[in-house]
Amino acid sequence: QKEVEQNSGPLSVPEGAIASLNCTYSDRGSQSFFWYRQYSGKSPELIMFIYSNGDKEDGRFTAQLNKASQYVSLLIRDSQPSDSATYLCAVIATDKLIFGTGTRLQVFP
Amino acid sequence: DTGVSQDPRHKITKRGQNVTFRCDPISEHNRLYWYRQTLGQGPEFLTYFQNEAQLEKSRLLSDRFSAERPKGSFSTLEIQRTEQGDSAMYLCASSPKRGTPKYNEQFFGPGTRLTVL
Repeated sequence: QKEVEQNSGPLSVPEGAIASLNCTYSDRGSQSFFWYRQYSGKSPELIMFIYSNGDKEDGRFTAQLNKASQYVSLLIRDSQPSDSATYLCAVIATDKLIFGTGTRLQVFP
Repeated sequence: DTGVSQDPRHKITKRGQNVTFRCDPISEHNRLYWYRQTLGQGPEFLTYFQNEAQLEKSRLLSDRFSAERPKGSFSTLEIQRTEQGDSAMYLCASSPKRGTPKYNEQFFGPGTRLTVL
């Protein structure tokens, strides 16, 4: 079992809709969770992190964490074509990041 | 804050050649990480430094790979006797000191894309 799992997609949503990206992790002791956005050919860019159970909002982005279910999600409200990218979920393990394979999001006009 | 920089951005080499990549972290960051990313995969951890000390190396890092951070500032990653399977994006990231804001966040450089022919 991979430590961090994501559906590779693509996830296609219309402009203006809510995009929901999901991630599960295997280490119950994981404490810190990160969402990175990666455009094709570019490096990952940190968009959100979450440490506590519940929701954390930042602009159009909401991260949700459920430690009991070992589940992290990222909601993108009012999706825009510029949000089209691969979204990488990552957990911290002894200072290093463990990434999932990423979910490709396509937002169509 | 100029961000993490990496050089070169692209490298094409022939199998069996040695290559060296450089990473300059954000100036006040004392932790520096190397990752490798292949197409369709997330970045995979290779190694990391706290100041000049190399604290962890991945099992992925064969003996052909070596990394240094001699003065606790920039780092180099060398691959000896390159193989076609080494073709990937090599990413460097840095983090600030523990106890400072954002200490748990890693900021990535633009990467070095290696192609081994």
